[in-house]
Amino acid sequence: EIVLTQSPGTLPLSPGERATLSCRASQSVSSSHLAWYQQKPGQAPRLLVYGASSRATGIPDRFSGSGSGTDFTLTISRLEPEDFAVYYCQQFGSSPTFGPGTKVDIK
Amino acid sequence: QVQLVESGGGVVQPGRSLRLSCAASGFTFNIYAIHWVRQAPGKGLEWVAVISSDGSNKFYADSVKGRFTISRDNSQNTLFLQMNSLRAEDTAVYYCARDGTSATPSYYFDYWGQGTLVTVSS
Repeated sequence: EIVLTQSPGTLPLSPGERATLSCRASQSVSSSHLAWYQQKPGQAPRLLVYGASSRATGIPDRFSGSGSGTDFTLTISRLEPEDFAVYYCQQFGSSPTFGPGTKVDIK
Repeated sequence: QVQLVESGGGVVQPGRSLRLSCAASGFTFNIYAIHWVRQAPGKGLEWVAVISSDGSNKFYADSVKGRFTISRDNSQNTLFLQMNSLRAEDTAVYYCARDGTSATPSYYFDYWGQGTLVTVSS
């Protein structure tokens, strides 16, 4: 099973700042098999990025994904108030697994 | 618009069974694989199972293999999850989620339901 590690666990930032979230895999993951989700309290997850760098339908361009191999990054260029949430990466090259999440908190 | 609505959750004793349903609308149900993903209270996400668009292929996480059965009724645009021999560690919100691509499953999830809570407790 591919284990995903996300860092940091919590990221305290202010609106307007840039957020950089990391996802590291225990073994190489095809770039086409890496996705990012956003989850707010009491809500279902929402797909942000698939294929490591393709934004899902309706996702603002302040969200961008990058990376390859074992290291992937989700960047939020300028945080809006609605972006404070938990973010999960997911690999689907083998049996799908999720990372433990990064909480983007208001500083 | 794409909608997925789960139902059937509740409180159940360990060792008993429960059947979840997921009603789909707003898209052509019979060309998409559909998944179940769960989230224990305050925890992260865990993929549970997937069923192919025509129902002929099913795959499960090791944690539920042999206890859970995924099925679908394409005539009713509905997905099911039969959960037997339930354990305390199965307590979670269960989401149904559409696969990101039609036809061959890609195993990422582009639309999710709101979830239904299953609590396994004596």
